[in-house]
Amino acid sequence: DTEVTQTPKHLVMGMTNKKSLKCEQHMGHRAMYWYKQKAKKPPELMFVYSYEKLSINESVPSRFSPECPNSSLLNLHLHALQPEDSALYLCASSPGQASTDTQYFGPGTRLTVL
Amino acid sequence: ELKVEQNPLFLSMQEGKNYTIYCNYSTTSDRLYWYRQDPGKSLESLFVLLSNGAVKQEGRLMASLDTKARLSTLHITAAVHDLSATYFCAVDIGGTPLVFGKGTRLSVIA
Repeated sequence: DTEVTQTPKHLVMGMTNKKSLKCEQHMGHRAMYWYKQKAKKPPELMFVYSYEKLSINESVPSRFSPECPNSSLLNLHLHALQPEDSALYLCASSPGQASTDTQYFGPGTRLTVL
Repeated sequence: ELKVEQNPLFLSMQEGKNYTIYCNYSTTSDRLYWYRQDPGKSLESLFVLLSNGAVKQEGRLMASLDTKARLSTLHITAAVHDLSATYFCAVDIGGTPLVFGKGTRLSVIA
């Protein structure tokens, strides 16, 4: 298995909803990432997990809560989001966090907040 | 702070022509990545350039890295419509997150 999978592909939620995004990889990678990408912009890093521990949090609002239950799975819990949080959310993984490790991206979840 | 600049940001080119996309970065780094993104899709890894003078080629795309000039190029040879996409370069300086350029939106027209 050489891919990163993300579910759901599309998500529409209200500002009072609680939802979760899921990311999975079975490549044995030990680093996993969440990115946010607005239309026509580059991806912006949100969180990095390395060996199932949160190693980087790029000052993301607390309405986004990451979780790494095991080495293959990464979740992003969403609560009380704002319309400006609408974006493509990309998960990525890499063998480690070494700079020579290519990040492999999942297909993304397109989130719309009403 | 690492800054990554790509140019051009928009590129419309005719089929069969050659062109080059440039990626400049502000801090010493030996590692540079090129990604492709189709509209509404995820990022596909194209090249990883790890050392000065590295050159990699895949089909009509060739990427090179000059760490002294802090410059990478993505050269497109004899463009075809299938190459239409947004191309991102990304740089890291060891242990820090990737920093992406703004992307070059390439449109290949007949």
